[in-house]
Amino acid sequence: DAKTTQPPSMDCAEGRAANLPCNHSTISGNEYVYWYRQIHSQGPQYIIHGLKNNETNEMASLIITEDRKSSTLILPHATLRDTAVYYCIVRGLPPSTGANSKLTFGKGITLSVRP
Amino acid sequence: ETGVTQSPTHLIKTRGQQVTLRCSSQSGHNTVSWYQQALGQGPQFIFQYYREEENGRGNFPPRFSGLQFPNYSSELNVNALELDDSALYLCASSRGPSSTDTQYFGPGTRLTVL
Repeated sequence: DAKTTQPPSMDCAEGRAANLPCNHSTISGNEYVYWYRQIHSQGPQYIIHGLKNNETNEMASLIITEDRKSSTLILPHATLRDTAVYYCIVRGLPPSTGANSKLTFGKGITLSVRP
Repeated sequence: ETGVTQSPTHLIKTRGQQVTLRCSSQSGHNTVSWYQQALGQGPQFIFQYYREEENGRGNFPPRFSGLQFPNYSSELNVNALELDDSALYLCASSRGPSSTDTQYFGPGTRLTVL
């Protein structure tokens, strides 16, 4: 699986957009980028995933650069409840299954939303 | 809410004992993956179960074993518990075993080994 690099932490003000960067320069052509978050001591929560095109859902937007070597997760209006560890994960090349389809979590980025 | 449930929420065991953790998958999902999360670390893949068979394992010893039942719920069994087994154990269910199938996590079971 391609390795991802995220800064260890960042903060933003409540109500502002939070832009969380991720570098995945060794990503292969058909590997997906997934984002999860984990609020203290809870199970990871799926946020969004994408391959090449930008994606948006009710939680966030995912912007993937044209060369696919990096991406940005955007929380458009951060709230205090968005304070969490955010994991950027590149998942095994489809149609991998089993251990090759696992999620490989790094250290993630700790987002702190301040009032 | 993901519809993935785990039990128990917490438990305490002593070294050398055995433990069984349970996971109910989301409706329509036939695959369960188990992860171990030590304090301060990201989750680590233990194994995946698909159609009642183990379908891949991470770097965990054989004393970590599992089962999947016809209703796709799953158990994680750990024998001969060691202090380092203290962790949050997470299960994730998915529509299938592929890397294109999104995994949805349960709330986890916090295991403490004394």
